[in-house]
Amino acid sequence: AQKVTQAQTEISVVEKEDVTLDCVYETRDTTYYLFWYKQPPSGELVFLIRRNSFDEQNEISGRYSWNFQKSTSSFNFTITASQVVDSAVYFCALSEEGSSNTGKLIFGQGTTLQVKP
Amino acid sequence: ETGVTQSPTHLIKTRGQQVTLRCSSQSGHNTVSWYQQALGQGPQFIFQYYREEENGRGNFPPRFSGLQFPNYSSELNVNALELDDSALYLCASSFFSSRYGYTFGSGTRLTVV
Repeated sequence: AQKVTQAQTEISVVEKEDVTLDCVYETRDTTYYLFWYKQPPSGELVFLIRRNSFDEQNEISGRYSWNFQKSTSSFNFTITASQVVDSAVYFCALSEEGSSNTGKLIFGQGTTLQVKP
Repeated sequence: ETGVTQSPTHLIKTRGQQVTLRCSSQSGHNTVSWYQQALGQGPQFIFQYYREEENGRGNFPPRFSGLQFPNYSSELNVNALELDDSALYLCASSFFSSRYGYTFGSGTRLTVV
C-alpha cells in the first residue's frame, strides 16, 4: 500500500530557529519519487524538491536541506534560520513509477509551520 | 514560460447542480492531473489525462469526469454536487510522468451550499 505520513500537524517556532519537518512513506515499488511542496495561504502548491528512489544523497539549497533515508523510509525537510515568510503548510508526497503508473501523487496530511517574529 | 492557470478562482454552487472547472497547463507539458483538497487535508488524486484520454483515476465516483483538449488544457466536471464536494480543486501539469515533476495552479475554491 502507498502511504505518506506527516506526524507533525502543527509546528510553531520563533524566527531564526531551525525546524525539521518529518515525512515517512510506504511503497512496494523499487522506483519512486518523493516530493516536498509548500502551500502558502494563496493555495498554490509550490514545488521545493524531487528525489528519486536511487538517489540517497542529501541535498542543501540555501536555508533548505533534505535528508532521504531508504532504510527508515523517511524524507525529512529542515529549514535553517527560519523566517516569517516560511510560514505555510508543507506537504510531502510520493509517486510510484510502476507498470500501472498514472503518475499520481500521494500526499501526506501536511504540516502547518508558523514562524513567529 | 507561463505556469498553470485555473478558472474560476472561487465558485458557489447549490447541491444537485453541475460545475465545470478549467485549467491551462504549463507550456511544454502534455499531462494534466486534478486533485481535490478538503480543508485541513492533503490533496487527493482525482484523475490524470494524457493525450486527451484518462490514464488513471483515484477513488472518486463517475460523477467526476474530465476532458483534455488538443492544446493540453483540461476541464473537470462534477455532476449532482454534494455538500462534501466543497473543497479546493487543484490542477497540475507535467511532461508525461512524475519523474519530471508537477506544476500546480492556484486552484478553484468550490463551495456547495
